[in-house]
Amino acid sequence: AQSVAQPEDQVNVAEGNPLTVKCTYSVSGNPYLFWYVQYPNRGLQFLLKYITGDNLVKGSYGFEAEFNKSQTSFHLKKPSALVSDSALYFCAVRDNGGATNKLIFGTGTLLAVQP
Amino acid sequence: NAGVTQTPKFQVLKTGQSMTLQCAQDMNHEYMSWYRQDPGMGLRLIHYSVGAGITDQGEVPNGYNVSRSTTEDFPLRLLSAAPSQTSVYFCASSPDRSGYTFGSGTRLTVV
Repeated sequence: AQSVAQPEDQVNVAEGNPLTVKCTYSVSGNPYLFWYVQYPNRGLQFLLKYITGDNLVKGSYGFEAEFNKSQTSFHLKKPSALVSDSALYFCAVRDNGGATNKLIFGTGTLLAVQP
Repeated sequence: NAGVTQTPKFQVLKTGQSMTLQCAQDMNHEYMSWYRQDPGMGLRLIHYSVGAGITDQGEVPNGYNVSRSTTEDFPLRLLSAAPSQTSVYFCASSPDRSGYTFGSGTRLTVV
């Protein structure tokens, strides 16, 4: 079955330090991978996606993610965290089984950036 | 260009009541879907549509109905609300399989 795992419920990082939010996936065929961010009481905002091409994907707000096929991972990274990056982050993979076009989401990782 | 618009933003229902959550998009996207978000469970697909007149069930369809009479609108109906349907509901649209735009959500409480 296709799935996404975010192994950390919460990640704590000091402002100015690099951050990584982990994501691994299991999907048949070529993966379409996404990262979304959700600020408190807000909807999901698109950060970046990987469909094909360069394994390092750059997205909004200085975030980037590295696609690693051998490790089936798509970790989200940022070189220098900001307090304003504190939010809930979701990794998602498009379901390649059939025509549903649905996204399969991880359970989310809460990023807390301390000043 | 408003994107995906959901109404209402907040709603409190009594058990057994029915209501419709509205979703509209102005991007001419063929694909639309409804998700619910519950703590510790991520987002789960309720129903989806691949075009006007075509709908199908997702992972958790029980207790919900949808219709897609136009490309723009994809309302979600709760037939008889139950406390288990307390959740945050998100509508999303996509022109193809490579990009999804989400609405700002409807926070529903069933008492």
